[in-house]
Amino acid sequence: DAKTTQPTSMDCAEGRAANLPCNHSTISGNEYVYWYRQIHSQGPQYIIHGLKNNETNEMASLIITEDRKSSTLILPHATLRDTAVYYCIVRPSYLNTGFQKLVFGTGTRLLVSP
Amino acid sequence: EPEVTQTPSHQVTQMGQEVILRCVPISNHLYFYWYRQILGQKVEFLVSFYNNEISEKSEIFDDQFSVERPDGSNFTLKIRSTKLEDSAMYFCASREPDGLSTYEQYFGPGTRLTVT
Repeated sequence: DAKTTQPTSMDCAEGRAANLPCNHSTISGNEYVYWYRQIHSQGPQYIIHGLKNNETNEMASLIITEDRKSSTLILPHATLRDTAVYYCIVRPSYLNTGFQKLVFGTGTRLLVSP
Repeated sequence: EPEVTQTPSHQVTQMGQEVILRCVPISNHLYFYWYRQILGQKVEFLVSFYNNEISEKSEIFDDQFSVERPDGSNFTLKIRSTKLEDSAMYFCASREPDGLSTYEQYFGPGTRLTVT
C-alpha cells in the first residue's frame, strides 16, 4: 500500500476553513484516497474518498492533484466539534486483494479553537 | 441512523483469563472487522471476516485470537489467554455488501480492555 505523509498537527480558528494536506507520492493508478477522523478515542469515522476527481459531500471536500501525488481535505467552516485526528489512507480498489483493511498512520491532530 | 454497537464499553480482566468482546454490526452489512488501538498509538487492523470465514488477518491476530459470528447479529472477538500487552481499545467495524458500497467502514465506539 502507498505510504502517506501528513503534518503532525494543525490549528484552525472556529468558522474558518481547515485545509489538511496529505502526500501520497507513491500512489498507484488503482488506489483510492480515503479520509477518516477520530474524535478523542472514539471509533474512526469515514469522511470522504476519491480516485482522481475532486469530491464533495456534506462533511468535507477532497481536492486531489492532477498527478494524484497529494490531496487536501477541506472542512469549509470548522467547528469545535471538528477537533480530531484526521487520517489520510491510500487503499487499493476492491478488485485487489487486501483492500479490506484500513492501514492507519499517525494522522494530523486538528485543534479548532474559538 | 444505524450504528455499530459494542459491549462492554470497558472490560477489566486478569492476565491469563479469556475475554470475549461483542459487537453488533449494522444489520445489512456483510463484512466485519476488528481493529485495536493501544493507548497513544495507531489504530491497527486485526482481522476481516466475510461469509463466515476470516478473509484477512494481521500478524497481531495469532492463535490466542478468534472471531465468530454466532448468530445473525453478533460478531465476537475472543482472546483466549490475555496478556498485559493486549490492553487496548478494540474497535469493531462493518461495511455494506459489494455493489451497494463505497467501501467505507463504520466503526463502533470501542471496548477498552484493561489487563492487570
